[in-house]
Amino acid sequence: QKEVEQDPGPLSVPEGAIVSLNCTYSNSAFQYFMWYRQYSRKGPELLMYTYSSGNKEDGRFTAQVDKSSKYISLFIRDSQPSDSATYLCAMGLLTGGGNKLTFGTGTQLKVEL
Amino acid sequence: GAVVSQHPSRVICKSGTSVKIECRSLDFQATTMFWYRQFPKQSLMLMATSNEGSKATYEQGVEKDKFLINHASLTLSTLTVTSAHPEDSSFYICSASDPHRGDTEAFFGQGTRLTVV
Repeated sequence: QKEVEQDPGPLSVPEGAIVSLNCTYSNSAFQYFMWYRQYSRKGPELLMYTYSSGNKEDGRFTAQVDKSSKYISLFIRDSQPSDSATYLCAMGLLTGGGNKLTFGTGTQLKVEL
Repeated sequence: GAVVSQHPSRVICKSGTSVKIECRSLDFQATTMFWYRQFPKQSLMLMATSNEGSKATYEQGVEKDKFLINHASLTLSTLTVTSAHPEDSSFYICSASDPHRGDTEAFFGQGTRLTVV
């Protein structure tokens, strides 16, 4: 069993739809939960991070963490074609000098006009 | 957010040669940087943790003699792929955390696409 499970998609939605992306994890030691967006042939871009159960909102993005269920979600409201990308969830463990991340496989999202 | 720069963005090399990839933190000092590899349509896999002034820590299954890591300063880590083979062709990405931000945010470079022919 992988430490982090994420449906690879692809997920196709119409413009303006609400998108729900999810990950589950098995290691209860993970301390931080992050969502990254990655465009083709580019490095990942941090969208949101959180470290506690509950919701965190930033503009059109809402990150949700349920530690008891080991389940995290990212919601995108009013999705735009520019949101088309691969979305990676990542779980973090603080080491002595940095945040060691374990990634999901990524979900490929396409927002269509 | 903090800026991490990676160079080159793309490199093609002949089988058997070595390739060096640089990762720089431009506006902060990073005592630790991480190197990842990403194959097409797959997730990022951690290869090694690069520690400034000491030996890198490699993940299980990653050959330390093949993937040489040097972290000589607080703003620069290098990954050298030695005696490259076609199966080493991949997308290599580094990340770093800013200690002043509490190490909770990992910032990534643009990635280096290596093609070995």
